[in-house]
Amino acid sequence: QQQVKQSPQSLIVQKGGISIINCAYENTAFDYFPWYQQFPGKGPALLIAIRPDVSEKKEGRFTISFNKSAKQFSLHIMDSQPGDSATYFCAASRSNDYKLSFGAGTTVTVRA
Amino acid sequence: GAGVSQSPSNKVTEKGKDVELRCDPISGHTALYWYRQRLGQGLEFLIYFQGNSAPDKSGLPSDRFSAERTGESVSTLTIQRTQQEDSAVYLCASSLIHRGYGYTFGSGTRLTVV
Repeated sequence: QQQVKQSPQSLIVQKGGISIINCAYENTAFDYFPWYQQFPGKGPALLIAIRPDVSEKKEGRFTISFNKSAKQFSLHIMDSQPGDSATYFCAASRSNDYKLSFGAGTTVTVRA
Repeated sequence: GAGVSQSPSNKVTEKGKDVELRCDPISGHTALYWYRQRLGQGLEFLIYFQGNSAPDKSGLPSDRFSAERTGESVSTLTIQRTQQEDSAVYLCASSLIHRGYGYTFGSGTRLTVV
């Protein structure tokens, strides 16, 4: 049973545009929500993470928005660049747990 | 080491053969994890090591899968009598403490069973 649902499966955006990826979770005990970026042939790398005590976190061009009541969170990539072309995974965990539950991933293609 | 190292990076094997996948975690990381990534799917948890013991093996798909870790360092994931559905990227991660934050992933081993 998939505990984190991610959409869309893929998206194409023009350089300079905004990429938006959405995730929804079921387990209300989750309190740590990271996003991972994966380039072809590489392992996932932590991009940005949020905890439910804040509704938004921004790091450079990457922003996580978090809606606790809706059990949803999203990644916004502002001013998308060709170097942002990668697969993005959302994940969720309880802060006292070692296991991450991952979404299915979104392949982002940024066209120059 | 500077990062998590996995070998081989690619492995093609015939159905029914056994394979061993190796993971060298970051030095000092006591926690080590194996995940599986099937094409177009998210990462599936396989097993977690704390030191040399594996308190959670709940994600291993069948008894054909086993893993061990020695010296709080290298871990080996073994798949016996491989099947085509075992084809996937096997990712290893390590962390300083056993929490979901702080993972560093290796680049994975792409296993293809023909």
